[in-house]
Amino acid sequence: DVKVTQSSRYLVKRTGEKVFLECVQDMDHENMFWYRQDPGLGLRLIYFSYDVKMKEKGDIPEGYSVSREKKERFSLILESASTNQTSMYLCASRSQGRELFFGEGSRLTVL
Amino acid sequence: DQQVKQNSPSLSVQEGRISILNCDYTNSMFDYFLWYKKYPAEGPTFLISISSIKDKNEDGRFTVFLNKSAKHLSLHIVPSQPGDSAVYFCAASGGNTGNQFYFGTGTSLTVIP
Repeated sequence: DVKVTQSSRYLVKRTGEKVFLECVQDMDHENMFWYRQDPGLGLRLIYFSYDVKMKEKGDIPEGYSVSREKKERFSLILESASTNQTSMYLCASRSQGRELFFGEGSRLTVL
Repeated sequence: DQQVKQNSPSLSVQEGRISILNCDYTNSMFDYFLWYKKYPAEGPTFLISISSIKDKNEDGRFTVFLNKSAKHLSLHIVPSQPGDSAVYFCAASGGNTGNQFYFGTGTSLTVIP
């Protein structure tokens, strides 16, 4: 079974703090994604990566950056957290087989 | 601009009856469609998919129908069970979207025992 593991299930941070969300997948997938889920807005793509050190902006990249130094690991960085970044963050990976496998999510609250 | 739309935010169905969840899309280049199920505080789990070369795909109690001319897909759950109560997202990809999947806003299904 594919496993996508997100490092933190729940985080509480203060405005202006730097936040790291980490994601690891164990199936050697080429593609990895970061989404955020908000009520009434569904899942919106922040960034994705199709290879090590490669990244592409999704629909809402502002205020975020990403890092993919190893194939299995994809990190989402909030350089200076703001209250409008309070959300559920979902990491996903996929191979060329096309379906996305999601982690359990990280619920971030920014105070 | 929302390329994938789920116009019903919620749906309630009696246990044992059919649940029909609908999804519309605007990009005619989409060629692969998926449904995901999500419980609170968990990540979405893959349910069923369909490629544009088909108009129907079945997996147990779940059937997805694709109407390409109407740019519409639907998920049928028969019979509905209380454990099916969750938020259901449809997603689409293909054509010039490359690796990107576009998700709808979700429909919250409640199956009443």
